Amino acid sequence: GAGVSQTPSNKVTEKGKYVELRCDPISGHTALYWYRQSLGQGPEFLIYFQGTGAADDSGLPNDRFFAVRPEGSVSTLKIQRTERGDSAVYLCASSLFGQRGLQAQYFGPGTRLLVL
Amino acid sequence: DAKTTQPNSMESNEEEPVHLPCNHSTISGTDYIHWYRQLPSQGPEYVIHGLTSNVNNRMASLAIAEDRKSSTLILHRATLRDAAVYYCILRHNNAGNMLTFGGGTRLMVKP
Repeated sequence: GAGVSQTPSNKVTEKGKYVELRCDPISGHTALYWYRQSLGQGPEFLIYFQGTGAADDSGLPNDRFFAVRPEGSVSTLKIQRTERGDSAVYLCASSLFGQRGLQAQYFGPGTRLLVL
Repeated sequence: DAKTTQPNSMESNEEEPVHLPCNHSTISGTDYIHWYRQLPSQGPEYVIHGLTSNVNNRMASLAIAEDRKSSTLILHRATLRDAAVYYCILRHNNAGNMLTFGGGTRLMVKP
């Protein structure tokens, strides 16, 4: 079946610009996660949605970052006034809802963001 | 989630077994042990998880020490496609839903 898809695969923008990154989760997965991965490091959690609501946004680094999931399926990560330090691979994952210790997360290929 | 410790890198020969260790001395009784791997230029991929007993699936085996302070991911016959960063992650039922990734072990497979 179809996995998690993310668009665009690559995004180059200039410092100060606004960007939107899209994630299409696996059909039927109610949980959706965003992570950020800098070069040479493991992914870092940003935000978790259960359905339409953000259940945990403790990983968002500051108020320039915002994410939505209005219909409980597709999610958009929005970054305002981008900075060079925002350059990273942004990963989206989805999972079934259930006992946390048991549910595997399925990751998309990521969006590589480069801020010049 | 409790912390895990893994070697930075390991090497293996193709078609030989690989044992990837993970130490988690502060594991709590309800922490599940998960393994993910990340192939170059791809997102992480779920491999296996367990609680107390050893587990097998089509990708790998997970051997968990009796005291649960360590575990080993076993690839029975390494292939070049298994070259990846392998992450050992503990997940507690009552903690947040996120995965907390450490540095992982970079596995290199030689032909």
